[in-house]
Order: sequence, then C-alpha cells, then structure tokens
Amino acid sequence: DAGITQSPRHKVTETGTPVTLRCHQTENHRYMYWYRQDPGHGLRLIHYSYGVKDTDKGEVSDGYSVSRSKTEDFLLTLESATSSQTSVYFCAIRARSGDYEQYFGPGTRLTVT
Amino acid sequence: AQSVTQPDIHITVSEGASLELRCNYSYGATPYLFWYVQSPGQGLQLLLKYFSGDTLVQGIKGFEAEFKRSQSSFNLRKPSVHWSDAAEYFCAVGTTGGGNKLTFGTGTQLKVEL
Repeated sequence: DAGITQSPRHKVTETGTPVTLRCHQTENHRYMYWYRQDPGHGLRLIHYSYGVKDTDKGEVSDGYSVSRSKTEDFLLTLESATSSQTSVYFCAIRARSGDYEQYFGPGTRLTVT
Repeated sequence: AQSVTQPDIHITVSEGASLELRCNYSYGATPYLFWYVQSPGQGLQLLLKYFSGDTLVQGIKGFEAEFKRSQSSFNLRKPSVHWSDAAEYFCAVGTTGGGNKLTFGTGTQLKVEL
C-alpha cells in the first residue's frame, strides 16, 4: 500500500462541464502520474509531476490540465468534459529514487453523458 | 519512443496447468520492465520488475519472468495456475529519464477453468 487515495471514486457528469479529480499521497513521493485506462488501450499517461509546480505532458494530454501546489496532492482537471473522456483514471507514484516502479491508486471511474 | 506488445488478448488455462504470457518491447536503451496484475474493479498491483542482473526474476504469488534481450521479450510464467489468478495482466517498459514514464501493453485477460 503506497498510501494513495483518489477522489471521487465514481462520477457521472454531463458534456461540457468541468471536472476535477484528486490524487492524494501520504508518503512525500516526488513523482506522481495520471493515467487513463480504456479497453484495448491498456493504460496511457496523461500528465505527470516531478515536484511542486513541476508538471509535464504525457501521451494523451489534450483536453486535460494538472496542478500540484502541495507535495501530497496532484489534481487532474477536465476543463470541458467530452464523452471521449469517459474512462477509468488512475493516479500513481514512483518509488523512491533508485527504483522506477510505480504504485497505483484505486482509480476513479468517470462517465461523461 | 518505447512500445510494448502483448499479442494475446485472452488466454484460458485449466487450474493447475502452467502459464506463459507473452510480452515484447521496443526501447532504445537498457529497458526497465514490469508486470502488473489487475483484478476486476481494482487498481494495478506490481507482480515483478527487471532492472539489471539476473535475467530470471521472481515475483509475488509464484510468478516469474525471463528477460531475453535478443528477442526483446519479457514473458511472464507460473508453473501451476490457481483459480484466483484470473485477472488482467499488463506488461510495461519504463524510461530511465524524462520522468521515468511507463508505457503499457494492452493487456492479457486470463481466464482459469476449474
């Protein structure tokens, strides 16, 4: 257990509305990641953070923004949700320096109607 | 850019039979390789990892994987499958820099027949 929580765990929202997903970790990890999981695609990286206020884009960043104002929180925002953003979203942290494996949170299932 | 191929979308095995899940990767440098397992409705759990050294790595739940550089493969094996092993399995390759990002394969769904 890497001490990662995600909120909300489930959300249904309408097209065009803004949505923010929260990832919270309790162990002061520097690196945090947001992935989306879709059938037939595995997990794909949206954005990641390598420190407070330090973020970068991943493979599928269009339509998403992130913020990290505190070490423990990494927020993913969909500025104007679309049906193509219906997915399961996972947050992850990278183990301490010297290791490269990532540990995942429980996920957030988002449905955009 | 790195990539991972898991050629088998679904695999069915009988309980007690051996298992091998295939994973092929593409990466320009020495790869960091991982296998994760996901039970229905759950997050991903790390099964095992390869960084360097011995090419046969042992993981949790009786799984092992062998790194073969010449074949760009990192296949997952288990000598005797249990019904509780039914899940989806993901292979991933990691970068050593640039955020240590992971690239995942599309997954293999394992069904275990009793």
